[in-house]
Amino acid sequence: NAGVTQTPKFQVLKTGQSMTLQCAQDMNHEYMSWYRQDPGMGLRLIHYSVGAGITDQGEVPNGYNVSRSTTEDFPLRLLSAAPSQTSVYFCASSYGRGADTQYFGPGTRLTVL
Amino acid sequence: GENVEQHPSTLSVQEGDSAVIKCTYSDSASNYFPWYKQELGKRPQLIIDIRSNVGEKKDQRIAVTLNKTAKHFSLHITETQPEDSAVYFCADNNAGNMLTFGGGTRLMVKP
Repeated sequence: NAGVTQTPKFQVLKTGQSMTLQCAQDMNHEYMSWYRQDPGMGLRLIHYSVGAGITDQGEVPNGYNVSRSTTEDFPLRLLSAAPSQTSVYFCASSYGRGADTQYFGPGTRLTVL
Repeated sequence: GENVEQHPSTLSVQEGDSAVIKCTYSDSASNYFPWYKQELGKRPQLIIDIRSNVGEKKDQRIAVTLNKTAKHFSLHITETQPEDSAVYFCADNNAGNMLTFGGGTRLMVKP
């Protein structure tokens, strides 16, 4: 199993550009989530999904969209990039909702100029 | 909203000493408390977790204790080694919902 994979690993955007961060898992997990990690800070939940076709907002959802058309994929879209979105983005998946091991992807380091 | 407070933010110990990191949570309905380790430039990985029906759990040199009355839980690392140097995050499941993470503790183990 590849586990949780993310692409790209690094990305530089200009203010106002849009892009999609890709996330996929091959563990047949129902629950997937996106976190951002700013320097010296913890992980903050952006959006999450409890299954295909179902998504919900986390702590910091503004400026981001998600969709979940399949169990395997959970892309994160930045609608109009801003410097405040410079961060490391982690995708994670788990078998259960809130009481199971979260498996994290390798992360995407995003810089917005 | 739900808060998980983690202390200290940095911790420096001598190799062989013990390290203790503490977290407090606010929602009494939370029932799952994991700890993640993140090495520099890597992804967070689960190292140990505890559920609300037990007070302590051990795995070799690491242990976690839970005090539900006081709403706090702690990570204990004994006989620290240089490879224990990393950032450690606590979390709770916020009454069965998605995990809420603490701010992290940077542990430095000096040889």
